Order: sequence, then C-alpha cells, then structure tokens
Amino acid sequence: GENVGLHLPTLSVQEGDNSIINCAYSNSASDYFIWYKQESGKGPQFIIDIRSNMDKRQGQRVTVLLNKTVKHLSLQIAATQPGDSAVYFCAENADSSYKLIFGSGTRLLVRP
Amino acid sequence: EAGVTQFPSHSVIEKGQTVTLRCDPISGHDNLYWYRRVMGKEIKFLLHFVKESKQDESGMPNNRFLAERTGGTYSTLKVQPAELEDSGVYFCASSQRATREKLFFGSGTQLSVL
Repeated sequence: GENVGLHLPTLSVQEGDNSIINCAYSNSASDYFIWYKQESGKGPQFIIDIRSNMDKRQGQRVTVLLNKTVKHLSLQIAATQPGDSAVYFCAENADSSYKLIFGSGTRLLVRP
Repeated sequence: EAGVTQFPSHSVIEKGQTVTLRCDPISGHDNLYWYRRVMGKEIKFLLHFVKESKQDESGMPNNRFLAERTGGTYSTLKVQPAELEDSGVYFCASSQRATREKLFFGSGTQLSVL
C-alpha cells in the first residue's frame, strides 16, 4: 500500500490519552473545513466538518476547533484507540468549484 | 452498497509508457472527482466531472493527462507518456450531487514510474 507516513509530522500518543492534531490553513476566504482519516491502503475517510460560522463542533469522540483569527484548525480525539492510528488530513474549501485544498497530513501513532 | 472502486490498486511502469487508471463511482453519483498525492505531499485536486462533462479541470498538471467519463458512469485517467514525477497515489471520489461535503473516496491507485 501507499507509504502514507513517509516524511510526515508524527504524533505518538498512549492508548487512552487524548490526541490533538493541528492544521494551519492559508486562505482567509475558506469557509468550510473537513478532517479526513487515511489508513494504509485505503482512501481518505470523512471524520468531521465545520463551517466558518462556528468555532467548535463535536462528534463521537472527536471535536474540531476553528480559529479564524489565526487560520488554525485542530482535531481532538478523546480516549485514543489503536484503531485511530492513521494519517489525518485537514481540507479547506473557499469557492463553488467543490475543489478541496488538503493539508500535508499528520501521522498519528497510538502506543498500546 | 459498493463504494468507489479503483483499478488497478498498483501499477509499475517505465518512464515514457502509458498507463490508464479507472474509477467506478458509487452507483447514482453524478459527480466524480480525481485527486492525487505525489511524493508523499498533500492531496491535490485534479478535476471534477458532472456526469460526462468536465466541470473543473483546473488541477490537471499538463497535457500528458487525459480524463474521460464517457456515458457518465466510470471514468478513466490516462497518463501518456508517464514521467518520474507522476509517481504517487491517484484517488477518485464521488458524490450524488455537486458538493464539497463528505466525498466518498476510493482506495486509490499507487502509480510508480521507474
């Protein structure tokens, strides 16, 4: 499968701890943001999204925080599990072309 | 329900050869997108089909890349001739309506150009 983890920033956490993955976006006009999870040999899988009129959104065990002032997005995973090990990508969109702009990704490793 | 499927999962070719990647979207999804991730970098948009029409091909890198979606069902992406820098993973995604939300991605084709 794809070597998704090569040359990527890596976050290593203990199973059961909380994880925080950060992303800086570049376009101040972006108004929609998504977090994707990519496991080895698979395509990106939707986790959670947030619109620019919000600064926080919660899902099951995941929370996305948006700080438009500093153009920063974060993904918080509560009680991290081994199955959370993957590469996480943030993506932004700013126009009607439906084109997503992805970040470079962060590899999450969960230690048992 | 079957997801987005891509063929082949891996392809190894020599520089100068031609490769054709195929994507079968989820049945009923009119919108089909191609993305790629090269050199382990970020995933980049290539183009967007609505049925058989190219809605946005602003991400296509050069004229060595040709995408088609005859009949508005499956799509092919042909690279001719392939260059070393084309190596990477090519992802296809689909959605029922044109949307930036919750795209369904395939597992990708890992292309290696030697």
